[in-house]
Amino acid sequence: KNEVEQSPQNLTAQEGEFITINCSYSVGISALHWLQQHPGGGIVSLFMLSSGKKKHGRLIATINIQEKHSSLHITASHPRDSAVYICAVRYLGAGNQFYFGTGTSLTVIP
Amino acid sequence: DVKVTQSSRYLVKRTGEKVFLECVQDMDHENMFWYRQDPGLGLRLIYFSYDVKMKEKGDIPEGYSVSREKKERFSLILESASTNQTSMYLCASRPLDRPAYEQYFGPGTRLTVT
Repeated sequence: KNEVEQSPQNLTAQEGEFITINCSYSVGISALHWLQQHPGGGIVSLFMLSSGKKKHGRLIATINIQEKHSSLHITASHPRDSAVYICAVRYLGAGNQFYFGTGTSLTVIP
Repeated sequence: DVKVTQSSRYLVKRTGEKVFLECVQDMDHENMFWYRQDPGLGLRLIYFSYDVKMKEKGDIPEGYSVSREKKERFSLILESASTNQTSMYLCASRPLDRPAYEQYFGPGTRLTVT
């Protein structure tokens, strides 16, 4: 059973819309990571969070440690944001191994 | 720029064939990883290696083996391919002295076993 849950699984938005992707996990973590996977498979790192909030351009990531929940927001979405977004967590005591969510496939329509 | 390359983007093999997936990184990273990615299951770790000739099992090592004879190259081997090994395979690497989240991924190999 995958203990890192993402929602929604698929998301279609109109260009310009505000987008939220959610990630929840089951036990204490030392880090949470948001990844972006482009069509064709290549994955790039977006954020690493252990607390609070981070912002990079139109992307904002937040984490609530008590609620075991993180969100990735995209403001003023654009078709080039179309990708799969993956949440990954490193559990306390799990060393360097990451556990990955199932991914959210985002399509932004012009 | 770190570059992680994989030998094939798309591969079609028959059941029972021996399959080699190659991964090469050009930044002298100690750690290398093989994942498979399936719809509804996300990325799952198959094997990883933290040094030449060293390997550790991940979450789903059954049906796979690995080889790391040189630091820059990490090979995933399917001894006898089966249809349930049809998947996207992703290789990643990471330097030993960097945080665990700084994994650099290759473009992926989509393997179909018929």
